[in-house]
Amino acid sequence: GENVEQHPSTLSVQEGDSAVIKCTYSDSASNYFPWYKQELGKRPQLIIDIRSNVGEKKDQRIAVTLNKTAKHFSLHITETQPEDSAVYFCAASASGGGADGLTFGKGTHLIIQP
Amino acid sequence: DSGVTQTPKHLITATGQRVTLRCSPRSGDLSVYWYQQSLDQGLQFLIQYYNGEERAKGNILERFSAQQFPDLHSELNLSSLELGDSALYFCASSVGGLRTDTQYFGPGTRLTVL
Repeated sequence: GENVEQHPSTLSVQEGDSAVIKCTYSDSASNYFPWYKQELGKRPQLIIDIRSNVGEKKDQRIAVTLNKTAKHFSLHITETQPEDSAVYFCAASASGGGADGLTFGKGTHLIIQP
Repeated sequence: DSGVTQTPKHLITATGQRVTLRCSPRSGDLSVYWYQQSLDQGLQFLIQYYNGEERAKGNILERFSAQQFPDLHSELNLSSLELGDSALYFCASSVGGLRTDTQYFGPGTRLTVL
């Protein structure tokens, strides 16, 4: 099945700086890569997703890049703000058959220092 | 608010007992997914139902079972509970049955097994 590795596990950045979180996946059939933000005790919230027919997607301060050849994708947050502090999860999924559903990385705890 | 609802919010029970968690998907969504989130295992996919039928199975224990009813709500049944079953249980829903469809998470049920 799919395996998703996520780095770093903790990331501390100064407010206003950029943050980058990286994920690698193992299944070359995976073609859907969402990112979720989870605040303590709350539900995971989808913040951006990308499908394998594009290499980059942006939504205001958030962008995701995908390199299918290298099997890795990254989340970029620019001009970080205190409300960006949370745990971020990447995930991967393949269409079609199989039992994996969404396979999640272990999460990155993003800390925005004032 | 994602539009996905889960009850109860919290559940405290004893080892060996059985509990039922309930999930109502967003209006119009046909798929329901169940996930378990624990500190050591992260977010793990358990099972997916699409329009009343089981579509995919992940790391779900034999002591656990689920079903989706004609009104599309779903229930996750956990039996012979063990201390290690203590976790946050999320359901998510999506419009279609593909695992590449965007999934929206409910607020979760926190299960504590004493």
